[in-house]
Amino acid sequence: AQRVTQPEKLLSVFKGAPVELKCNYSYSGSPELFWYVQYSRQRLQLLLRHISRESIKGFTADLNKGETSFHLKKPFAQEEDSAMYYCALKGGGADGLTFGKGTHLIIQP
Amino acid sequence: GAVVSQHPSWVICKSGTSVKIECRSLDFQATTMFWYRQFPKQSLMLMATSNEGSKATYEQGVEKDKFLINHASLTLSTLTVTSAHPEDSSFYICSAKPAAGYGYTFGSGTRLTVV
Repeated sequence: AQRVTQPEKLLSVFKGAPVELKCNYSYSGSPELFWYVQYSRQRLQLLLRHISRESIKGFTADLNKGETSFHLKKPFAQEEDSAMYYCALKGGGADGLTFGKGTHLIIQP
Repeated sequence: GAVVSQHPSWVICKSGTSVKIECRSLDFQATTMFWYRQFPKQSLMLMATSNEGSKATYEQGVEKDKFLINHASLTLSTLTVTSAHPEDSSFYICSAKPAAGYGYTFGSGTRLTVV
């Protein structure tokens, strides 16, 4: 069975500080990993996926197969980054996503 | 960009009645749509995958007779919660995967409260 673990329910950092949201996964094959963000009162939006290896809004995430991790990082947090962040996995032929429980990121001024 | 419209955004119904939730892809064709359920302070749980013109595939533990899914066209999937009970109260979210291209676009969700 596949599983996504986000150990932190809540993460609070000051503006300008580095941010790291942790995500670990369990899957026997080669997964596709995603980060989704949900701003207050808005729908889930794709932030980035490991295949594209891109940086969106200053966020990056590297897939570490050895550690089965896909942590989300940003060197300097901004107040507008405050939101719920969900790590998600798509495995094998299955099309649906398996989500972690989410981390509520709060950026303090 | 791709937009998915989900309707209604919230609904209150009496126990024993049925409720239909619609999910529409507005500017793209979606061969596959997904239905998720989210309990308070918990993650999204995949309920079922629906492919246009075929029967939905339900995840383990999801009652297909209670959660009826119809995906009659490339732009519309519906979830009907039949004979709803208070324990069915939850936040239901749909997602669509385009026929061409990549990615999953999410609806804004439906808050169902069964009283």
